[in-house]
Amino acid sequence: EAQVTQNPRYLITVTGKKLTVTCSQNMNHEYMSWYRQDPGLGLRQIYYSMNVEVTDKGDVPEGYKVSRKEKRNFPLILESPSPNQTSLYFCASSSGTLHYGYTFGSGTRLTVV
Amino acid sequence: GNSVTQMEGPVTLSEEAFLTINCTYTATGYPSLFWYVQYPGEGLQLLLKATKADDKGSNKGFEATYRKETTSFHLEKGSVQVSDSAVYFCALSAWDTGNQFYFGTGTSLTVIP
Repeated sequence: EAQVTQNPRYLITVTGKKLTVTCSQNMNHEYMSWYRQDPGLGLRQIYYSMNVEVTDKGDVPEGYKVSRKEKRNFPLILESPSPNQTSLYFCASSSGTLHYGYTFGSGTRLTVV
Repeated sequence: GNSVTQMEGPVTLSEEAFLTINCTYTATGYPSLFWYVQYPGEGLQLLLKATKADDKGSNKGFEATYRKETTSFHLEKGSVQVSDSAVYFCALSAWDTGNQFYFGTGTSLTVIP
C-alpha cells in the first residue's frame, strides 16, 4: 500500500531534550515536506526537500532541522524543543510535480512540557 | 503571489442537506487545485483535484469545478452524511514560485442526524 509513515504518533517530552520524528514513504517520491498544524493558524510548512541532499526552509523553520540522505526518509529533528513547538506535525510526499498533490502521513502529536 | 481563501466555519448541516464550501484563489501562473479532507484524529487525505480550467474533480459524491474566470474551486455535495463531518482544506500548487503548495485555513463541517 502506498503510504507515508510517521513515528511516533504521540510524543510527550521535556524542554531541551533532543528528539527526532521519523518519516518514510514507499512511493519513490522526490518531494517531501513537513508541516505543523495549530488551531487558528492552519497548516504551515516547516521544511521541504525536492530530492536527496536538497532541502530548503519553509515558512516556520526556526528550531527545526531536517535531513534527506535517502529518497524514502525525511526525519524532522528538534535539537532543543520548547513549549511553543507543541503542535500536530505532518509529513507529506509527492512526485516531482506537486500538480498531483501530496500524500500525507497520519500525524505526530507532540507536547513539550 | 499565490494564495487560497476559503469560507470560514464552522459549518453545521443536517443530514441530507446540500453542502457548499467556497474557495477562491489567487495565482500568477496555471495552478492545480485540490480539496483535502481531515477526519478527526487523522491526517489529510486528497478528496479531489483539478489540473486545468473547466476540469471537474469528483469523489465520494463531492464535486468541484476549476473556474478560471471567477478564480474559484467551490466544493459541493448534494446530500451530506454524518460521516462527512471533518475539516476540509482547499489548496493549490504552482510552479512559478519554486514548486510550492498553498493551503486554505480549513473549514470545519459537522453533520447532525
